[in-house]
Amino acid sequence: TQLLEQSPQFLSIQEGENLTVYCNSSSVFSSLQWYRQEPGEGPVLLVTVVTGGEVKKLKRLTFQFGDARKDSSLHITAAQPGDTGLYLCAAFYNQGGKLIFGQGTELSVKP
Amino acid sequence: KAGVTQTPRYLIKTRGQQVTLSCSPISGHRSVSWYQQTPGQGLQFLFEYFSETQRNKGNFPGRFSGRQFSNSRSEMNVSTLELGDSALYLCASSGGYGNTIYFGEGSWLTVV
Repeated sequence: TQLLEQSPQFLSIQEGENLTVYCNSSSVFSSLQWYRQEPGEGPVLLVTVVTGGEVKKLKRLTFQFGDARKDSSLHITAAQPGDTGLYLCAAFYNQGGKLIFGQGTELSVKP
Repeated sequence: KAGVTQTPRYLIKTRGQQVTLSCSPISGHRSVSWYQQTPGQGLQFLFEYFSETQRNKGNFPGRFSGRQFSNSRSEMNVSTLELGDSALYLCASSGGYGNTIYFGEGSWLTVV
């Protein structure tokens, strides 16, 4: 059973469109992280959200942490081909060094 | 500063063989963790080492083992390789709990 459920798994859109990726769990987390991974490379941290209800913006990317700290979303405005990649949510399990990941969302933005 | 370095980048092994992968963390980082990434299972935690001690362990069979040296460099070993062990093995380092984790580019293992 996945502790972090991500949706959708695959997303193919045209340049300029908006999209939202969701990360849900039945567990409460002290923080949640979003990563982006490009083919042949390791994941790169985009943001960490800590406070329930928190919203963080990174250029065209908006990250939100649910009030109950069980869910998060990533919204991309006016997607560009350079946004193509695998987006992963992750959280530390039991506040230890064990990072658990969602299944990932494979995003393809076509010009 | 230099990032997390993993070697080798690519390797092919035969079923039944064993393999050792190496990871050099970012200078000053004492925590090193290992992950397995496959298309079907996604990214799964293998184990984490801190100051040469295994601090956390995932749900993998005993064929998967690791160690950390006094200079924080880490190795992971997989014995009696199976076809299902084919994956991207990622190493990550951090300065400690709650610190940002930085991933290496990974080692692609193919078992034939």
